[in-house]
Amino acid sequence: GAGVSQSPRYKVTKRGQDVALRCDPISGHVSLYWYRQALGQGPEFLTYFNYEAQQDKSGLPNDRFSAERPEGSISTLTIQRTEQRDSAMYRCASSMTGAREKLFFGSGTQLSVL
Amino acid sequence: AQSVTQPDIHITVSEGASLELRCNYSYGATPYLFWYVQSPGQGLQLLLKYFSGDTLVQGIKGFEAEFKRSQSSFNLRKPSVHWSDAAEYFCAVGEGSNYKLTFGKGTLLTVNP
Repeated sequence: GAGVSQSPRYKVTKRGQDVALRCDPISGHVSLYWYRQALGQGPEFLTYFNYEAQQDKSGLPNDRFSAERPEGSISTLTIQRTEQRDSAMYRCASSMTGAREKLFFGSGTQLSVL
Repeated sequence: AQSVTQPDIHITVSEGASLELRCNYSYGATPYLFWYVQSPGQGLQLLLKYFSGDTLVQGIKGFEAEFKRSQSSFNLRKPSVHWSDAAEYFCAVGEGSNYKLTFGKGTLLTVNP
């Protein structure tokens, strides 16, 4: 597509529910990244894929967070048993080959856990 | 561990005035440095980047930044600010591994008419 697309744009959920956030990167982009941005903070790295392979998941806060990119294109970030501290903007980015190249960011999914 | 400090949370300038946004980084090796801009409701957009070579780099929208190794700084400048430059600006440093960026907390720029 023309840009990185994320859905939903807003997600409100109750504590304890599972949520799935979707990212559709720019067609042909090999690398895909997930970042989390809390209010008043810069984006914080969560995880990174090259094609379908998850290369680094060191930024995922705990085992309630997981991500996949099964066919090397669309990616899903899943948060199980959500907690209020998970509330943040979740941003996806893609690039041709790596972060030294230009990262294209989506508009993000604003997650609110009540 | 690498880190990025943007000392100014919020800056207000008048349209037409010059602008300098500060960024200091902490990183052991030669850093890869970036400036991104975020407008309300939009994703982050790359303004410019530094990998090596000339320490003064030019970016889009009339922005430039200068890498100063002795000061561990990568300040963003623009000679004359336009109202459309009002946004939040993030400095970031990349690891040598080529995929992970560490962002600063951002500087919110307000432009007065």
